[in-house]
Amino acid sequence: GQQLNQSPQSMFIQEGEDVSMNCTSSSIFNTWLWYKQEPGEGPVLLIALYKAGELTSNGRLTAQFGITRKDSFLNISASIPSDVGIYFCAGQLASGGGADGLTFGKGTHLIIQP
Amino acid sequence: DAGVTQSPTHLIKTRGQQVTLRCSPKSGHDTVSWYQQALGQGPQFIFQYYEEEERQRGNFPDRFSGHQFPNYSSELNVNALLLGDSALYLCASSGLQGWAANYEQYFGPGTRLTVT
Repeated sequence: GQQLNQSPQSMFIQEGEDVSMNCTSSSIFNTWLWYKQEPGEGPVLLIALYKAGELTSNGRLTAQFGITRKDSFLNISASIPSDVGIYFCAGQLASGGGADGLTFGKGTHLIIQP
Repeated sequence: DAGVTQSPTHLIKTRGQQVTLRCSPKSGHDTVSWYQQALGQGPQFIFQYYEEEERQRGNFPDRFSGHQFPNYSSELNVNALLLGDSALYLCASSGLQGWAANYEQYFGPGTRLTVT
């Protein structure tokens, strides 16, 4: 099945550093969502974006919906140990009066070095 | 407010068998989507149920089928299991309380299926 191109695949950072990751697609999406998944759990919704160019924050997290509608970016400022996990981007279309199933990237594995 | 729940947590089946996984959506949600997540991969969309009917389907064979009940809970059935069906199966729900709720999908903890 189709997957989005998400990068980097993994990040090794130190506590307090800022983090940036992005997601690109060959297709246009109406909605971009960012999730975080920890071992043994389902993905947790972090941020949802609905308009091209939109910039939305959730605490230390900031995400942007690319102008072309084919990409999105997630930034985490001043990382802390609990930020460790796998971050997924997901694109979504809307058709037939409802929201479609999500298309996911392969994830960015965030590791914080002591 | 209960979130999305799934059962069972883990399941071990033999190749060729059939399996049924269950999902209860978040309170106030009426749409259920199912995803398959292989190890090291992002979730892959299987299908979505709304008003007890399959509204959309991803690129999965007919061995994968589902059902939605009047209380919005849902089942995923997989027939003739293959080794490659081993994965984490995730259920996500979304609702109609405000326009954004239609797009924001909330996931359960998943069911880990192992096919031997």
